[in-house]
Amino acid sequence: EPEVTQTPSHQVTQMGQEVILRCVPISNHLYFYWYRQILGQKVEFLVSFYNNEISEKSEIFDDQFSVERPDGSNFTLKIRSTKLEDSAMYFCASSEPQETQYFGPGTRLLVL
Amino acid sequence: GQQLNQSPQSMFIQEGEDVSMNCTSSSIFNTWLWYKQDPGEGPVLLIALYKAGELTSNGRLTAQFGITRKDSFLNISASIPSDVGIYFCAGQKYSGAGSYQLTFGKGTKLSVIP
Repeated sequence: EPEVTQTPSHQVTQMGQEVILRCVPISNHLYFYWYRQILGQKVEFLVSFYNNEISEKSEIFDDQFSVERPDGSNFTLKIRSTKLEDSAMYFCASSEPQETQYFGPGTRLLVL
Repeated sequence: GQQLNQSPQSMFIQEGEDVSMNCTSSSIFNTWLWYKQDPGEGPVLLIALYKAGELTSNGRLTAQFGITRKDSFLNISASIPSDVGIYFCAGQKYSGAGSYQLTFGKGTKLSVIP
């Protein structure tokens, strides 16, 4: 069964460093998403991406965040200058039009 | 922002018992979804509900989409140890320009005592 994959599974970084989280969505999906889950809390929407541009973003997705689809298979989330409060699980999801979203296993980011 | 109120926050039940959890919202959603999350994993879709009033089953799981499109419940019958995890409800709404944003509840943590 097709699935969303994410790399790395864990990342530890120093505050102020840049990180890039990678995702490979399900191959025939056209809509891509990033979500964040701070430890013990609910999953929060960050951004949606369709047709090579951001469709919608939340208040969390400030200028430190960016997304890119550099090729036909990868979808990345970049955090330019990480802060302590960026420590969280980051989930990528993808979907077909008007269909449900399927989530990847997540990247656990720890900012020290 | 939109909020989903999910209850209960946590449950401890004996193996074999039935479980019920629900979500309510002040906003209308096009689709209601129930996900399960195991520790260190991503949410896994259990059931998707597309029509108001829809009642859908998936094995021992049954979920209903409220008539008003503002609430949903999930029932698990005859619980087993592998049902342990956190269950999230999520409302999906088309936000325009190709965006289908999910709003999640805070989750129900289920513990099953063998």
